[in-house]
Amino acid sequence: TQLLEQSPQFLSIQEGENLTVYCNSSSVFSSLQWYRQEPGEGPVLLVTVVTGGEVKKLKRLTFQFGDARKDSSLHITAAQPGDTGLYLCAGAQGGSQGNLIFGKGTKLSVKP
Amino acid sequence: NAGVMQNPRHLVRRRGQEARLRCSPVKGHSHVYWYRQLPEEGLKFMVYLQKENIIDESGMPKERFSAEFPKEGPSILRIQQVVRGDSAAYFCASSPASLRGYGYTFGSGTRLTVV
Repeated sequence: TQLLEQSPQFLSIQEGENLTVYCNSSSVFSSLQWYRQEPGEGPVLLVTVVTGGEVKKLKRLTFQFGDARKDSSLHITAAQPGDTGLYLCAGAQGGSQGNLIFGKGTKLSVKP
Repeated sequence: NAGVMQNPRHLVRRRGQEARLRCSPVKGHSHVYWYRQLPEEGLKFMVYLQKENIIDESGMPKERFSAEFPKEGPSILRIQQVVRGDSAAYFCASSPASLRGYGYTFGSGTRLTVV
């Protein structure tokens, strides 16, 4: 069974701090996606990374895909209260491509 | 059409009743996916459909659960004879064919409570 392990599970920081969350697996994925989910809502896609070693930036968020395409990280610079939420990584398998494997998420709280 | 529309948002059913969850994908998206999220658990894949076809149902329980995506109308996830363990948030996502595996648009979910 392919698993995606996310760490840390919970993170509480002050506004302005930097943070990194991790997504690790023993399996190779054809692509990896990061989503943010707010309470009572569905996940919202932030980014998709496809190539090993790829780095993508989205304003204060930096996403990296490991060289072997088994792991990924999300770094947030100068966190703001609006960044609060559940961050999920999801890996796409081969085959039908419809079956995403999700991690359990990192619950981030940014205090003003 | 701003995104994936799911209804109802909340559904309460007694044990043994049927639950029907509806999902209208983003206009122009031909691929629909259903996921289930249990409290404190990650999202789990259930089924992947194209219009009138089930592509992958490897995550769907063999009994009581079925899904369809007809030529016209929304995709339906149907749960017969619901049990308390079916209580969860059910999310539908869609994508165009060219982006399958590369990022989905999710709906806001249907929260099913079985009493």
